[in-house]
Amino acid sequence: EVQLVESGGGLVKPGGSLRLSCGASGFTFSTFNMNWVRQAPGKGLEWVSSISSRSRYIYYADSVKGRFTISRDNAKNSLYLQMNSLGAEDTAVYYCARVGFSNGLDVWGQGTTVTVSS
Amino acid sequence: DIQMTQSPSSLSASVEDRVTITCRASQSIASYLNWYQQKPGKAPDLLIYATSSLESGVPSRFSGSGSGTDFTLTISSLQPEDFATYYCQQSYSAPWTFGQGTKVEIK
Repeated sequence: EVQLVESGGGLVKPGGSLRLSCGASGFTFSTFNMNWVRQAPGKGLEWVSSISSRSRYIYYADSVKGRFTISRDNAKNSLYLQMNSLGAEDTAVYYCARVGFSNGLDVWGQGTTVTVSS
Repeated sequence: DIQMTQSPSSLSASVEDRVTITCRASQSIASYLNWYQQKPGKAPDLLIYATSSLESGVPSRFSGSGSGTDFTLTISSLQPEDFATYYCQQSYSAPWTFGQGTKVEIK
């Protein structure tokens, strides 16, 4: 079964850091580009970051540029999001998602919740 | 950055109604437009990619059309399981922006 499972979310104080992980199974992870997408409580979807299959191309939303770092370890079938200098505006459910050959996000994880609060 | 604007933000409809949701891009995105369905507490599901191609397993009552800057998602006969929020997303260039969503509610 094709699956993505996020972990690493939790409660963190403003200014703090957190590292999210996304484990992939059921497909050849190293051949797919991957994304992080987040959703603040009661709000819509916000694309956060993208990384190509071999990490050559990396992109960030302006809202996280300079604070978040996306990375991947193809040997471990894992995607990561290092989040620094967190603020209340980063409170959200964070999803990892696979970019399919269609260019759409065709596989999503269940999400991990990040809450930034003192 | 390319801005995506959906309309309406919400709509009320009855089962078997025909429903149309529009999505407009701030610049041409060719056919790089995807549609997602999200139900409360769940991750989104890809419905349509590249404007009009149905993702595997998606019922044929869903269809997409458009090109350039104007796009449409149509549900030909709304079913009870279709009440959800729908998002468009452009995959033409980074940042891969989403529309603000359209909530389809029961009338």
